[in-house]
Amino acid sequence: GENVEQHPSTLSVQEGDSAVIKCTYSDSASNYFPWYKQELGKRPQLIIDIRSNVGEKKDQRIAVTLNKTAKHFSLHITETQPEDSAVYFCAALTGANNLFFGTGTRLTVIP
Amino acid sequence: DSGVTQTPKHLITATGQRVTLRCSPRSGDLSVYWYQQSLDQGLQFLIQYYNGEERAKGNILERFSAQQFPDLHSELNLSSLELGDSALYFCASSEGTRLTGELFFGEGSRLTVL
Repeated sequence: GENVEQHPSTLSVQEGDSAVIKCTYSDSASNYFPWYKQELGKRPQLIIDIRSNVGEKKDQRIAVTLNKTAKHFSLHITETQPEDSAVYFCAALTGANNLFFGTGTRLTVIP
Repeated sequence: DSGVTQTPKHLITATGQRVTLRCSPRSGDLSVYWYQQSLDQGLQFLIQYYNGEERAKGNILERFSAQQFPDLHSELNLSSLELGDSALYFCASSEGTRLTGELFFGEGSRLTVL
């Protein structure tokens, strides 16, 4: 089955700096890669996603890149703000329609 | 508010017991997914139902079972509970049989096994 690895597990940045979270996946048939943000005690919520026919997607301060050949994708957050502090999960959707999540990255933005 | 409703929000029980978690999907969504989130762990996919039928299965233990009813609500049954089953159980829903966009999560049911 699919195996999604996510790094780092924790990340601390100064407010205004950039944050990068990286994920790799194993199933070459995976074709949809969403990122979810989970604030403390809350439900995960989709913040951005990318499909396998696109290499990069940007939404304001958030961008995601995908390298299908290398089977890795990354989340980039620029100009970080304290409200960006949360746990971020990457995920990969397999051909069998199973959405596998990474183990999460706890991002802390220091004011 | 995602529109996905889960009950109960919190549940404390003892080892060996059985519990049932309930989920109502968003209006119009036919697929229901169950995920387990243990402390400091990621989201482990358990099972998916679409319009009453099982569609995909993840790492769901044999002690666990689920079903989706004609009104589309779903129940996750956990039996012979062990300490390690303590976790946050999320239900999520989407419109179709294949996930093509956002998965809408409920607020979760926190299960504590003592």
